[in-house]
Amino acid sequence: EPEVTQTPSHQVTQMGQEVILRCVPISNHLYFYWYRQILGQKVEFLVSFYNNEISEKSEIFDDQFSVERPDGSNFTLKIRSTKLEDSAMYFCASSLNTDTQYFGPGTRLTVL
Amino acid sequence: QQQVKQSPQSLIVQKGGISIINCAYENTAFDYFPWYQQFPGKGPALLIAIRPDVSEKKEGRFTISFNKSAKQFSLHIMDSQPGDSATYFCAASTGGGNKLTFGTGTQLKVEL
Repeated sequence: EPEVTQTPSHQVTQMGQEVILRCVPISNHLYFYWYRQILGQKVEFLVSFYNNEISEKSEIFDDQFSVERPDGSNFTLKIRSTKLEDSAMYFCASSLNTDTQYFGPGTRLTVL
Repeated sequence: QQQVKQSPQSLIVQKGGISIINCAYENTAFDYFPWYQQFPGKGPALLIAIRPDVSEKKEGRFTISFNKSAKQFSLHIMDSQPGDSATYFCAASTGGGNKLTFGTGTQLKVEL
């Protein structure tokens, strides 16, 4: 069964450093998303991406964040200058139609 | 208005019992209501979903009940098993590839 994959599973970085989180969505999917989950809290929407452009972003997704689909398979989330409060699990999701979203296993980001 | 309220925060059920988790929403534009199951260290996995044109949907031991007038929906897990022990999130979306708005989650523990 096809699944969303994410790398790395765990990323540790120093405050102020740039990180890139990578995702490979399910191959024929058209809609791509990033969510985050701070430990013990609910899953929060960051950004959605369709037809090579951002379709919606939350107030969390400020100028420090960017997304890219550099080729036909990868979908990346870049945080330019990480802050302590960026520490969270980051989930990539994808969907074929417009409803059912399939989530990856997540990348745990720890900012020291 | 975008919030989805979920209760209870935690739930302990005996093996074979019925687990019931409730969610309420305000935004009448929501038209897709999925439930996700999350095990520790894993991404949310779609369990079952409903649209507001039906009042109930059943898949195996899992049933969603939907009350459009009350703007409430609930997940019922029949014959609960220890393997069902996980965190359950309700969510809502306006469809069309739009973001999921998640509830705060319910930690379910099924005891022998």
